Amino acid sequence: EPEVTQTPSHQVTQMGQEVILRCVPISNHLYFYWYRQILGQKVEFLVSFYNNEISEKSEIFDDQFSVERPDGSNFTLKIRSTKLEDSAMYFCASSNGQLEAFFGQGTRLTVV
Amino acid sequence: AQSVTQLGSHVSVSEGALVLLRCNYSSSVPPYLFWYVQYPNQGLQLLLKYTTGATLVKGINGFEAEFKKSETSFHLTKPSAHMSDAAEYFCAVSGSNQGGKLIFGQGTELSVKP
Repeated sequence: EPEVTQTPSHQVTQMGQEVILRCVPISNHLYFYWYRQILGQKVEFLVSFYNNEISEKSEIFDDQFSVERPDGSNFTLKIRSTKLEDSAMYFCASSNGQLEAFFGQGTRLTVV
Repeated sequence: AQSVTQLGSHVSVSEGALVLLRCNYSSSVPPYLFWYVQYPNQGLQLLLKYTTGATLVKGINGFEAEFKKSETSFHLTKPSAHMSDAAEYFCAVSGSNQGGKLIFGQGTELSVKP
């Protein structure tokens, strides 16, 4: 069964460093998303991406964040200068536009 | 604008008892509604969804939910809880037909006692 894969599963980084979280969406999907879940809180939408551009973003997704689909298979989330409050589980999801989004297992980001 | 409220951050039931997890939504457009389950240290797995048509939807693992427009609710039920049902459950709403952008509730942690 096709699935969304995310790497790494856990990333520890120092405050101020740049991190790139990687996702391989399901191959025939066209819509891609990043969500985050701060420990003990709800899952929050960050950004959606379609046709090689951002289609929607939340107020959380500020200038420190960027997304890219560099090679037609990977979908990445970059945080330019990490802050302590960026520590969270980050989920990638993809959809073929037919209502159901498939989620990856998540990357746990810990900023120290 | 859309929002989801899950009543009860933690629900505890005995094995074999009825599971009822409550979800109310707010949406300015016809909603699409979802329940996801998250087992410890894992991602989100779709349990069931309501889009159009039959208001009682059945999902995996014996769960079902009923869309009640008049009550703006989409409560999740299972007749008989199993130990393996212990997890975090999230209700979510989408207003588009593109899946993906979901607005989640706060989640309800379900504990199942032997």
